[in-house]
Amino acid sequence: AQSVTQPDIHITVSEGASLELRCNYSYGATPYLFWYVQSPGQGLQLLLKYFSGDTLVQGIKGFEAEFKRSQSSFNLRKPSVHWSDAAEYFCAVGSAGGTSYGKLTFGQGTILTVHP
Amino acid sequence: GAGVSQSPRYKVTKRGQDVALRCDPISGHVSLYWYRQALGQGPEFLTYFNYEAQQDKSGLPNDRFSAERPEGSISTLTIQRTEQRDSAMYRCASSGRTSGSRNEQFFGPGTRLTVL
Repeated sequence: AQSVTQPDIHITVSEGASLELRCNYSYGATPYLFWYVQSPGQGLQLLLKYFSGDTLVQGIKGFEAEFKRSQSSFNLRKPSVHWSDAAEYFCAVGSAGGTSYGKLTFGQGTILTVHP
Repeated sequence: GAGVSQSPRYKVTKRGQDVALRCDPISGHVSLYWYRQALGQGPEFLTYFNYEAQQDKSGLPNDRFSAERPEGSISTLTIQRTEQRDSAMYRCASSGRTSGSRNEQFFGPGTRLTVL
């Protein structure tokens, strides 16, 4: 069964500092990996996704993530955080086949607080 | 509309009552997914449809939960004889003009269900 672990429940950074949010997954084959962001009162918005190819993927709002198969990780990074990045971030793994085709399994989320 | 809409946005009900939650996907999207999100957790898969066919309902917690999408567009998630443990945010997502797990899932704002 697929699963996702986000080890950090809450992270606080200063505006302008760099950010890395950790994500570890468990999946039997090549995973489809996603990062979503959730702002208060909003739906989930896709930041970026990995299916195959280049292991460093670029997303919206200046975010990037690197797929490392050997570590079963897909960490999200941003070189300089803005106050508007404060939100909850979810890593997810997608099922590529079988009866759960397309189903996403999410981690428990990391809440990001940005100090001015 | 441009995005996925859900109604009602908030629902408060008494234990034992039935509730129906509605999802209106992005026009033309083939796949529709239902997730449930408890406080402090990531979304958890409930069920999904391709067109009007329910492909996977393995995430529905018990037989009090059911979903339909009779015309391949709007979907309704029904919870019968609600219990306090059903209180959560219920999220709907739609994807793809063709079916496929690589398609981005677009999430609605959710329905916050509170069972008293």
